Amino acid sequence: GESVGLHLPTLSVQEGDNSIINCAYSNSASDYFIWYKQESGKGPQFIIDIRSNMDKRQGQRVTVLLNKTVKHLSLQIAATQPGDSAVYFCAEILNNAGNMLTFGGGTRLMVKP
Amino acid sequence: EPEVTQTPSHQVTQMGQEVILRCVPISNHLYFYWYRQILGQKVEFLVSFYNNEISEKSEIFDDQFSVERPDGSNFTLKIRSTKLEDSAMYFCASSFNSNRVQPQHFGDGTRLSIL
Repeated sequence: GESVGLHLPTLSVQEGDNSIINCAYSNSASDYFIWYKQESGKGPQFIIDIRSNMDKRQGQRVTVLLNKTVKHLSLQIAATQPGDSAVYFCAEILNNAGNMLTFGGGTRLMVKP
Repeated sequence: EPEVTQTPSHQVTQMGQEVILRCVPISNHLYFYWYRQILGQKVEFLVSFYNNEISEKSEIFDDQFSVERPDGSNFTLKIRSTKLEDSAMYFCASSFNSNRVQPQHFGDGTRLSIL
């Protein structure tokens, strides 16, 4: 059965470096993806989204890449800052699942000053 | 920037008691959601609500759970007879979906502790 408590993979980067956080999804029917940032004691905060008809989308300091061939999603953060330290979740919506978000397990990003 | 607000931030309840968690979604949003996150685990979908009725629900959302939009601003989640395993963070979210899915914006959650 599933273990109680999720061990989060951790990415540790130096302030100013670029960060890349990865996410694998399993369902080829997923057609909408979102990255969320969650700081301690707060709710998931929307960062950027991408639809399945796109490969790349850019925001302010963030880029999301979608590779549908290998069912892989990544979030790139440029010039990472201490305020970027948080847990990052990818989430997806299946094209036949209405608006239900399915979250991944999360990656903890730690930024060293 | 408009945000989803949730009250209370922490609710402690005896097992078997009813609890109501409250949310004020973003004002022009049309879709409302509840999710939960058990400590150290993934965020899990519970229910979505549109046009005054449930549009989707997960297996977690059994007969002990109900949702309501009692007025034009509040959206509530009621757990009728709480169990120890209901202890979790409960997040409300809302989105403005027209003909395309739009991002869901989350509140900061209510920590529910069942004793």
